[in-house]
Amino acid sequence: AQTVTQSQPEMSVQEAETVTLSCTYDTSESNYYLFWYKQPPSRQMILVIRQEAYKQQNATENRFSVNFQKAAKSFSLKISDSQLGDTAMYFCAFATGSGNTPLVFGKGTRLSVIA
Amino acid sequence: ETGVTQTPRHLVMGMTNKKSLKCEQHLGHNAMYWYKQSAKKPLELMFVYNFKEQTENNSVPSRFSPECPNSSHLFLHLHTLQPEDSALYLCASSQGQPDTQYFGPGTRLTVL
Repeated sequence: AQTVTQSQPEMSVQEAETVTLSCTYDTSESNYYLFWYKQPPSRQMILVIRQEAYKQQNATENRFSVNFQKAAKSFSLKISDSQLGDTAMYFCAFATGSGNTPLVFGKGTRLSVIA
Repeated sequence: ETGVTQTPRHLVMGMTNKKSLKCEQHLGHNAMYWYKQSAKKPLELMFVYNFKEQTENNSVPSRFSPECPNSSHLFLHLHTLQPEDSALYLCASSQGQPDTQYFGPGTRLTVL
């Protein structure tokens, strides 16, 4: 079974600074997908970024980028130029690339951006 | 506003009540999901539907009964719930599995 571990329950960062959220996962699959979702106080789960395991290039979306280390089974999220609106719970998630397996989520990291 | 809507947004019910949660997706997706989010626990998958067929039931108690009449609508029928069932229930959809899942805003359920 796949597992996703987020070792940082809470983090804080000053506005305009950079922060990195950690995620590790365990799987025996070679084809899979990794995601970061954001859940602000409104509780709406929003996709931040997605990475296909077969792609060596790290995914980026504006101020959000990942450091995907396949051999180490690590998938960290870097947020640059942090904004107050980035305050949220961040969930790392995993899905295999075959079959009907849905997302497996980590426990989340609560990020607070401080003015 | 996402393409996945959920109603009601908040629900308070007694343990003997029967209620239903509704999810509708306007994205043309063919897979829909129910998740449960409790305090201090990871999101728990409850059910998965692909093309209206249930493909996964994650050992969910029978007091939760899903229904998927078509690829755009998903219901979760609730009866004789327990206080520990109080949680945020999230619906999601995707275009095939695995693919990016898009979530609704959730229904905050409180069982008294």
